[in-house]
Amino acid sequence: GQQVMQIPQYQHVQEGEDFTTYCNSSTTLSNIQWYKQRPGGHPVFLIQLVKSGEVKKQKRLTFQFGEAKKNSSLHITATQTTDVGTYFCAAYMDSNYQLIWGAGTKLIIKP
Amino acid sequence: SAVISQKPSRDICQRGTSLTIQCQVDSQVTMMFWYRQQPGQSLTLIATANQGSEATYESGFVIDKFPISRPNLTFSTLTVSNMSPEDSSIYLCSVPGQGVGELFFGEGSRLTVL
Repeated sequence: GQQVMQIPQYQHVQEGEDFTTYCNSSTTLSNIQWYKQRPGGHPVFLIQLVKSGEVKKQKRLTFQFGEAKKNSSLHITATQTTDVGTYFCAAYMDSNYQLIWGAGTKLIIKP
Repeated sequence: SAVISQKPSRDICQRGTSLTIQCQVDSQVTMMFWYRQQPGQSLTLIATANQGSEATYESGFVIDKFPISRPNLTFSTLTVSNMSPEDSSIYLCSVPGQGVGELFFGEGSRLTVL
């Protein structure tokens, strides 16, 4: 079936370091959404990207959608303990209306 | 944004029993979605529940195992039937927002089957 590949599975960072997670698809995406799930919590919508090459920022978070609409990234600058959690991408394919979820990237702050 | 209440928030169940999860939304919505999230995994769609019609199940999920009710536009239930330890998961209900197609999730029901 259609898939959205998300890497890495985990990322350990020191507080203050940057964090990036990537999502890739072999087929064109209609749009891509990003969610954050805190430990023990439920997914919370962060943002949606629709346009080719789109870049959006939310404070220390930068979201990008590739020119070919087949990849996306989420970058967090200067991580804080409040950023801990798992970040998921989810995308609608051009070919159907089912929301396809990435595997998630778990952000872990080293003690 | 929608406010979604799920009950129970967690439960420990015995093998072979069934449990019904309730999802209440603070506004009327046409579609409600039921997801399963196994420990440390991503979200998997179980079914889409539309008011007034049978739920639509995804591949690998069947109505006998996961019967769903959708009696009105603000409420739905998911039953996990004849449970086994493999059913230990978080079950999440979700509704679409009215903005850009985002999903809002309930707090989740964390089931442990012994």
